[in-house]
Amino acid sequence: EAGVAQSPRYKIIEKRQSVAFWCNPISGHATLYWYQQILGQGPKLLIQFQNNGVVDDSQLPKDRFSAERLKGVDSTLKIQPAKLEDSAVYLCASSYDRGQETQYFGPGTRLLVL
Amino acid sequence: GENVEQHPSTLSVQEGDSAVIKCTYSDSASNYFPWYKQELGKRPQLIIDIRSNVGEKKDQRIAVTLNKTAKHFSLHITETQPEDSAVYFCAAWTFRRYTGGGADGLTFGKGTHLIIQP
Repeated sequence: EAGVAQSPRYKIIEKRQSVAFWCNPISGHATLYWYQQILGQGPKLLIQFQNNGVVDDSQLPKDRFSAERLKGVDSTLKIQPAKLEDSAVYLCASSYDRGQETQYFGPGTRLLVL
Repeated sequence: GENVEQHPSTLSVQEGDSAVIKCTYSDSASNYFPWYKQELGKRPQLIIDIRSNVGEKKDQRIAVTLNKTAKHFSLHITETQPEDSAVYFCAAWTFRRYTGGGADGLTFGKGTHLIIQP
């Protein structure tokens, strides 16, 4: 089966600019996650979607980050304005449903904020 | 929320020797514990997992053990090979649908950089 797709793979921006990342989960997967992985650390959950609804976004810095999954399939994560500390890899993952523990990760988008 | 501690942060072993990575978790409701391998610049890949109703699971050279009472679980790699060199992450997962909400996402440890010396 096709895996989780993400784009772009790399992005370099200056602080205070905006950026958007896109994720296409595995077909049929209802649950979608966005994680932030700072260099040298494990991924940290930012937001979880179930179909087109938000399950939890308590770790999302809402003053600058936003995410949506309008049709319950693809998702976008946006940062506006970006800060230096947002430099990280942004990983998207999906699972078949909330009760299915196994998550499949995309290749990630590596963001560098200068 | 859940907190996962992972040790050591770096582990260097001779090729052919065994490697052990240990993790502890804080939330007794966590019931699924996967291990991911991440090579440089690549996505995390699930290598083995264990559920809370099982004490040990083995898959060829890789095994995981779980002690629910002590809230710790470990990854064991035997007969290590150069291709085992990577960063390994443990994680804990809690299904919260009926326990008041919150994310079902994984809580990861900080990772162990495993180096296999030839």
